[in-house]
Amino acid sequence: NAGVTQTPKFRVLKTGQSMTLLCAQDMNHEYMYWYRQDPGMGLRLIHYSVGEGTTAKGEVPDGYNVSRLKKQNFLLGLESAAPSQTSVYFCASSYLAGGIREQFFGPGTRLTVL
Amino acid sequence: AQKITQTQPGMFVQEKEAVTLDCTYDTSDPSYGLFWYKQPSSGEMIFLIYQGSYDQQNATEGRYSLNFQKARKSANLVISASQLGDSAMYFCAMREGYGNQFYFGTGTSLTVIP
Repeated sequence: NAGVTQTPKFRVLKTGQSMTLLCAQDMNHEYMYWYRQDPGMGLRLIHYSVGEGTTAKGEVPDGYNVSRLKKQNFLLGLESAAPSQTSVYFCASSYLAGGIREQFFGPGTRLTVL
Repeated sequence: AQKITQTQPGMFVQEKEAVTLDCTYDTSDPSYGLFWYKQPSSGEMIFLIYQGSYDQQNATEGRYSLNFQKARKSANLVISASQLGDSAMYFCAMREGYGNQFYFGTGTSLTVIP
């Protein structure tokens, strides 16, 4: 099992450009999440999904859109990148059933917006 | 108000000694879950330990234990017999109720000294 994978690992954008980050998981998890990690800020939730075809806003959703067309994939889009979106982006997934429901994280994508 | 507070930006510990990383949380929901994650310099997030709000005993996982003091709303991570490989960032996180959002603290950087 690959677990949670993210594509790409690194990206540099110019202000105003658009891009899509892809997250894929092979654990059949219902829940998927997108976080950003900034120095001194910890991880902040951007958007999440509780199942195929559903998405919801997290703590810092502005400037991002997401889609979950397939259960195993969760896409994060930046329509018009801004320098404030320079960050490390993490995708995570977790299973639906009760109990611990810990999150499994991808390796991260380092995005720089010039 | 911050949901998760980690007041120690950086900690040092001698190899083979024990260390406690502090975490306090804020919630009015009687049902919640508390998590600790490790982030080594390579960047991935590694799940360490979980404590449920109704769990009667402190969670333990190998050298990791969680000192859960419900009345004080604290969930400190204790690492026994520190190893050089324990040098990393450590994040405390909380899931409220059976909700879908996880809240992370700002992290503590642990350095193990030989």
